[in-house]
Amino acid sequence: AQKVTQAQTEISVVEKEDVTLDCVYETRDTTYYLFWYKQPPSGELVFLIRRNSFDEQNEISGRYSWNFQKSTSSFNFTITASQVVDSAVYFCALSGGNRDDKIIFGKGTRLHILP
Amino acid sequence: DARVTQTPRHKVTEMGQEVTMRCQPILGHNTVFWYRQTMMQGLELLAYFRNRAPLDDSGMPKDRFSAEMPDATLATLKIQPSEPRDSAVYFCASGPLEWDNSNQPQHFGDGTRLSIL
Repeated sequence: AQKVTQAQTEISVVEKEDVTLDCVYETRDTTYYLFWYKQPPSGELVFLIRRNSFDEQNEISGRYSWNFQKSTSSFNFTITASQVVDSAVYFCALSGGNRDDKIIFGKGTRLHILP
Repeated sequence: DARVTQTPRHKVTEMGQEVTMRCQPILGHNTVFWYRQTMMQGLELLAYFRNRAPLDDSGMPKDRFSAEMPDATLATLKIQPSEPRDSAVYFCASGPLEWDNSNQPQHFGDGTRLSIL
């Protein structure tokens, strides 16, 4: 069975601090995809990144970076120099290797960036 | 930009009433997903379709919920009869059957916020 665990329910940091959101996953598939989504206070779900299981290269996009480690089944997300606009709920998600497999979401981490 | 459109955005009704939520997927997308979001359970997949055929609705309470795609431009989620525990935000998402590195797998609508009194 597939499972995504986001152990941090809620995190608060002061603006400009770096913050890492943890994601641990379980799957028996050898091919799978991992995702991060952002849900700001307005409620919509915003896609951030997709990573396939064969690509363990870390990804950086501006202030966002992702660390994928198959050895620990983790796909952590770091925001550097956080800003108030980063305040949101962040979801990590997992799907199987078939491209129409369903996506399983973690429970989310609510991130508060304090001014 | 193409968007998934959900209607209504908000719905308040009394328990026992029928509720119908609608979703217009992005033109050309072959997969459609319905999710329910609550504080306790997070985002749960209720049902999903590929080329209008239901692939998996194991997450959906069968006695009162039903999901259909009468045509490629419309997906519906119905609750009959509704109960207070159905209060949640319901998201529809659509996606292309074939991804590439530049495409996101699922595009989400803005959700329907449902309150059952």
